[in-house]
Amino acid sequence: DSGVTQTPKHLITATGQRVTLRCSPRSGDLSVYWYQQSLDQGLQFLIQYYNGEERAKGNILERFSAQQFPDLHSELNLSSLELGDSALYFCASSPAGWGETQYFGPGTRLLVL
Amino acid sequence: GENVEQHPSTLSVQEGDSAVIKCTYSDSASNYFPWYKQELGKRPQLIIDIRSNVGEKKDQRIAVTLNKTAKHFSLHITETQPEDSAVYFCASNSGGGADGLTFGKGTHLIIQP
Repeated sequence: DSGVTQTPKHLITATGQRVTLRCSPRSGDLSVYWYQQSLDQGLQFLIQYYNGEERAKGNILERFSAQQFPDLHSELNLSSLELGDSALYFCASSPAGWGETQYFGPGTRLLVL
Repeated sequence: GENVEQHPSTLSVQEGDSAVIKCTYSDSASNYFPWYKQELGKRPQLIIDIRSNVGEKKDQRIAVTLNKTAKHFSLHITETQPEDSAVYFCASNSGGGADGLTFGKGTHLIIQP
């Protein structure tokens, strides 16, 4: 157990819908990262938040957004869902940022039908 | 941006033999290189990491080497066991302070009994 929690574990929804994935980092960690894992794209970095503010952006689509709240938990919002958005979404956390170990949560498996 | 190439995509070794997985990276400012092990449907778990001020790091049967000049790093697993069977990912951070990790495509390691 890494200490990072994610909910829900599984999510099934339809195209065009919107979903919210939730992540709680390890106690004391200020940075939260979101990654998407799919068969064709592999593990891809989406976005990072540090202490409530956006720190870095990766290959995140405009239909996706995230935020980090004062209690440091983070939410990833996915809207106008397409079939290709079906993937495993992982959250990771680290104490601060660059060059630090990132611990991954168990992931949310999203299936868009 | 950073690009990480990983080889081979599949590696089959006899139990007790050694396994070597190689990665190259493109951003000379990268300074952190973790290796993750992922079992089917589970979270990536950090098994070892190395920073650019170190050339080699060992933890029991696992070792990682880094050649900054050539921009490549390798994972070595000795005395392989059935529980080593999994997908292994190398990763690196990027220069300029961006904290998200760039991952290789993964190596499916199969330990033959």
